[in-house]
Amino acid sequence: KAGVTQTPRYLIKTRGQQVTLSCSPISGHRSVSWYQQTPGQGLQFLFEYFSETQRNKGNFPGRFSGRQFSNSRSEMNVSTLELGDSALYLCASSLQGAGDTEAFFGQGTRLTVV
Amino acid sequence: AQSVTQPDIHITVSEGASLELRCNYSYGATPYLFWYVQSPGQGLQLLLKYFSGDTLVQGIKGFEAEFKRSQSSFNLRKPSVHWSDAAEYFCAVGLGSSASKIIFGSGTRLSIRP
Repeated sequence: KAGVTQTPRYLIKTRGQQVTLSCSPISGHRSVSWYQQTPGQGLQFLFEYFSETQRNKGNFPGRFSGRQFSNSRSEMNVSTLELGDSALYLCASSLQGAGDTEAFFGQGTRLTVV
Repeated sequence: AQSVTQPDIHITVSEGASLELRCNYSYGATPYLFWYVQSPGQGLQLLLKYFSGDTLVQGIKGFEAEFKRSQSSFNLRKPSVHWSDAAEYFCAVGLGSSASKIIFGSGTRLSIRP
């Protein structure tokens, strides 16, 4: 079966702009989680959606938001981009929730803010 | 607070030698434990997981890990490493379906000496 698909793979944005990243989970998976990976902070949890509802949220400012559609595809949005938002953004797909079932990760979207 | 500690930032081993990567966790309840591997510029791949039962778990690519509750450890082992094992390895704790998130350690970068 197809894996987790994240688009686009690479993005370059200017400070102050906004960006939308997309994640298509594995068919049948209802949970989608988002993580930010940076050299300094490592892998940090952003939020998790399950059946179109945000079920958990990490410690990120309100500029980071997300949503999930009825087909389980998810988008995350970052507004008013800052240089520090440059990172690899990873999406994870799982049946019920990444915390207690196996999570499958996409290859990520590399965001560079200039 | 929940946390995962990987004390070794970078390890170099010779090809064919054995490997042990250390992981300690802090979590009040019975943890769900994972080891993930990440190749440069790629997403995360699950190597193995422990949910319950036998404390020695087998994973893909010849890896195994042992859960030791008394030491709050979940160390990853491989009897003989291959050059293709060079990557970054992350230990992680899953916080259950209601929390629905994974807390990652800071990672251990593995280099293989020819």
